[in-house]
Amino acid sequence: AQSVTQLDSQVPVFEEAPVELRCNYSSSVSVYLFWYVQYPNQGLQLLLKYLSGSTLVKGINGFEAEFNKSQTSFHLRKPSVHISDTAEYFCAAFTGGGNKLTFGTGTQLKVEL
Amino acid sequence: DTGVSQNPRHKITKRGQNVTFRCDPISEHNRLYWYRQTLGQGPEFLTYFQNEAQLEKSRLLSDRFSAERPKGSFSTLEIQRTEQGDSAMYLCASSSGVAASRTGELFFGEGSRLTVL
Repeated sequence: AQSVTQLDSQVPVFEEAPVELRCNYSSSVSVYLFWYVQYPNQGLQLLLKYLSGSTLVKGINGFEAEFNKSQTSFHLRKPSVHISDTAEYFCAAFTGGGNKLTFGTGTQLKVEL
Repeated sequence: DTGVSQNPRHKITKRGQNVTFRCDPISEHNRLYWYRQTLGQGPEFLTYFQNEAQLEKSRLLSDRFSAERPKGSFSTLEIQRTEQGDSAMYLCASSSGVAASRTGELFFGEGSRLTVL
């Protein structure tokens, strides 16, 4: 079964500092990977996705992620964070031929002044 | 395109009462999903529909839960005899097209938060 691991439950960072949110997945078959962001009391918004092609994927709000097949990772990065990036971030995976997205437990990004 | 719409956004109920949530997907989307999200956790899959057919149900969906999508458009999720453990955010998502169905990309609503007292 597909599983997604987000090891960091909380990541505090100062404004304008870089950040990396880690995500590892388990799959021996082709997989599609996503990062979603959730602001308080709101639904999930797609940040970026990896379907195929270039392993470096750029998303909205200056975020990017790199698909690493050998390490089964899909870490999310931003070179300089803003206060408005404070939110919960979820990594998710979909296995070709499956029927549903599987989510990690989320990482709370807290940006401080 | 108004996106995925869910209502009510918030529901407070007493234990033992029944509640129903409604989801209106993006109009041309044929797949509709229900997820549950508890505090500190990621969304957990409950069930999904392709058009009006309910094709998969999670073991999380006990017999107190029932979901319908009668005409392949909006969907309802009903919880009977609610328990405090049912308190969660219930998220609806939709997707469309062969490509989206193959890749799993979902469009989420803002969720319905249930509090059972």
